[in-house]
Amino acid sequence: AQSVAQPEDQVNVAEGNPLTVKCTYSVSGNPYLFWYVQYPNRGLQFLLKYITGDNLVKGSYGFEAEFNKSQTSFHLKKPSALVSDSALYFCAVRDNFGNEKLTFGTGTRLTIIP
Amino acid sequence: KAGVTQTPRYLIKTRGQQVTLSCSPISGHRSVSWYQQTPGQGLQFLFEYFSETQRNKGNFPGRFSGRQFSNSRSEMNVSTLELGDSALYLCASSPGTSGMSLRTDTQYFGPGTRLTVL
Repeated sequence: AQSVAQPEDQVNVAEGNPLTVKCTYSVSGNPYLFWYVQYPNRGLQFLLKYITGDNLVKGSYGFEAEFNKSQTSFHLKKPSALVSDSALYFCAVRDNFGNEKLTFGTGTRLTIIP
Repeated sequence: KAGVTQTPRYLIKTRGQQVTLSCSPISGHRSVSWYQQTPGQGLQFLFEYFSETQRNKGNFPGRFSGRQFSNSRSEMNVSTLELGDSALYLCASSPGTSGMSLRTDTQYFGPGTRLTVL
């Protein structure tokens, strides 16, 4: 069965500093990985996804994520954090056979400190 | 293009009642998925519909059901509501084309329906 772990419930970063939100996954076959962000009282907004190819994926709002197959990780990064980046971030995974459902991690609350 | 819309945005019901939530996908999208989000359980997959057929189902009791219409709009129904059904119910749509793209498709989420069961 596929699963996703987000080891940090809360991450605090000073404005202007680089940020990293961690995600590790477990799948039987090849992973398809996604990052979403959720603002208060809103649905999830798609940030980026990894399907195949270049291990560094660039997405919306200056975010990027690095796929590392040997460490089964897909960490979300941004070079310079903005206060407006404060939100709840979810990592999600599908594998390439079996059930096609998207499995989400438990979420990481990112707080950018001015 | 308009995004995914969900109605109503907020609902208050009492135990034992039933509720129907509605989701209109992005124009052209044929797949609709439903999720339940709670502080304790996080995001849990309910079911997915494609071309009016349920294609995948999560681990929820039979009180939770859904359907999809020919225009891809979807509804989910919860019967005999329990206090534990209080949650944010999210709908997501994706293009839902065939083959491997089923797995690589991005799901686009609506704003959710906040259900409170008293």
